[in-house]
Amino acid sequence: DTGVSQDPRHKITKRGQNVTFRCDPISEHNRLYWYRQTLGQGPEFLTYFQNEAQLEKSRLLSDRFSAERPKGSFSTLEIQRTEQGDSAMYLCASSPSHGYGYTFGSGTRLTVV
Amino acid sequence: DAKTTQPPSMDCAEGRAANLPCNHSTISGNEYVYWYRQIHSQGPQYIIHGLKNNETNEMASLIITEDRKSSTLILPHATLRDTAVYYCIAGSYNTDKLIFGTGTRLQVFP
Repeated sequence: DTGVSQDPRHKITKRGQNVTFRCDPISEHNRLYWYRQTLGQGPEFLTYFQNEAQLEKSRLLSDRFSAERPKGSFSTLEIQRTEQGDSAMYLCASSPSHGYGYTFGSGTRLTVV
Repeated sequence: DAKTTQPPSMDCAEGRAANLPCNHSTISGNEYVYWYRQIHSQGPQYIIHGLKNNETNEMASLIITEDRKSSTLILPHATLRDTAVYYCIAGSYNTDKLIFGTGTRLQVFP
């Protein structure tokens, strides 16, 4: 296991289309996080899972966003009816249940045209 | 989680020590100071963390003031590959989430 994997690395979509991103965390990590990052800003927290349970969602996560982590392994983040304001880097991270040291993936860069 | 304040940018000559400051005057007793960095087009990378004692690992040293209101990340011999945005974050040991600010953009020049 070489780290957190995200797919795809880049996605260009037309406004109004739905997109789905996948994150494969480090296998022994119970916690999984989604962040969004726009140009010049630090990553912003969106949501996190402990195993398959989604424990917190940010107000940034509008009704058009949904995240799942079936079976507590990989996770998906879906954005419905994309808007230009959704253009950003979407980062996934995982960590052990207790402790520090998130491991981030390289992110999925979404461009909505 | 306590708010942190960092300078927006810094320069450092290659081979010299890079000292990145961070203010966290409202940090509470159980909050750690975490440092991450983000190289262009990559996800953030964990560097080091500490509570009140100074810490050192293979990447960097972390110096925390006695009153814990500020800290300094030290890269002892900066290389061009250390050019990145460095984030200082205050949070509890088992924090549910890390809250990133805008960080310090460190430019290492030849």
